[in-house]
Amino acid sequence: KQEVTQIPAALSVPEGENLVLNCSFTDSAIYNLQWFRQDPGKGLTSLLLIQSSQREQTSGRLNASLDKSSGRSTLYIAASQPGDSATYLCAVSPRSTGNQFYFGTGTSLTVIP
Amino acid sequence: DVKVTQSSRYLVKRTGEKVFLECVQDMDHENMFWYRQDPGLGLRLIYFSYDVKMKEKGDIPEGYSVSREKKERFSLILESASTNQTSMYLCASRRGGGVYEQYFGPGTRLTVT
Repeated sequence: KQEVTQIPAALSVPEGENLVLNCSFTDSAIYNLQWFRQDPGKGLTSLLLIQSSQREQTSGRLNASLDKSSGRSTLYIAASQPGDSATYLCAVSPRSTGNQFYFGTGTSLTVIP
Repeated sequence: DVKVTQSSRYLVKRTGEKVFLECVQDMDHENMFWYRQDPGLGLRLIYFSYDVKMKEKGDIPEGYSVSREKKERFSLILESASTNQTSMYLCASRRGGGVYEQYFGPGTRLTVT
C-alpha cells in the first residue's frame, strides 16, 4: 500500500520568505501527484497536478516538482503572504489502484505578517 | 468551474440513527469519492464510484454504504451511526478515463452523540 509522508507537520515563516514543502511516497509507480490547500474547517482546493511524465508544474507563485525515482515531490511557494496560511496536502495516485488517491497528513503553514 | 456541493456543513446525530450524506457535482464527472478526515490520520477513502450504479470499497468501508443512482449524485449512508464515525466527511469528483484533478466539496462535520 502506498504510504505518503509530509514533513514538517507545521511550519512558521515570516512574510516574504520563500519556502519549500515536502512530500514523499513509497511506491514510485504513480499516475500523478496532486497538491491541495485546506483552510480550517473547509474542503480541499486543488493547487497543482503533476502527471507521472512531468517533472514540474507552475501556477503563479507556486511551483511543484516531481522526482519519481526518489519518491519525492516539493511545493515551492515564492514570496509568501499571510493569505498563504493553511494546511497543504499532497495526494498520490498509484498505478496499481488506478482511481484511488493516497493522502499525506499535511503541513500546516503559518505566514507571520 | 467545477462545483461539488454537500448537503450539510454540520450534522449532529444520535447513536444508532441512519444517516445520509449527499454530494452533487455539476461537471458530468464519472468518478466520485467519499473520504473521512481525522486528526493525525489524514484523509482515508471510504468508497468510490466510477460510474452510475458502480462502486468500489476504499480502505475503510466498514459501517458505510453508498448509492449512485444518477451520475451527478453520490450518497454516503451510515446504516447505524456510532460515536467512532464522528468525523469530517469530504466528497470529491474527477473526470474519468485519464489523469485529471480531483475536486472537493466543502465537507460535512458529523458528530454522533
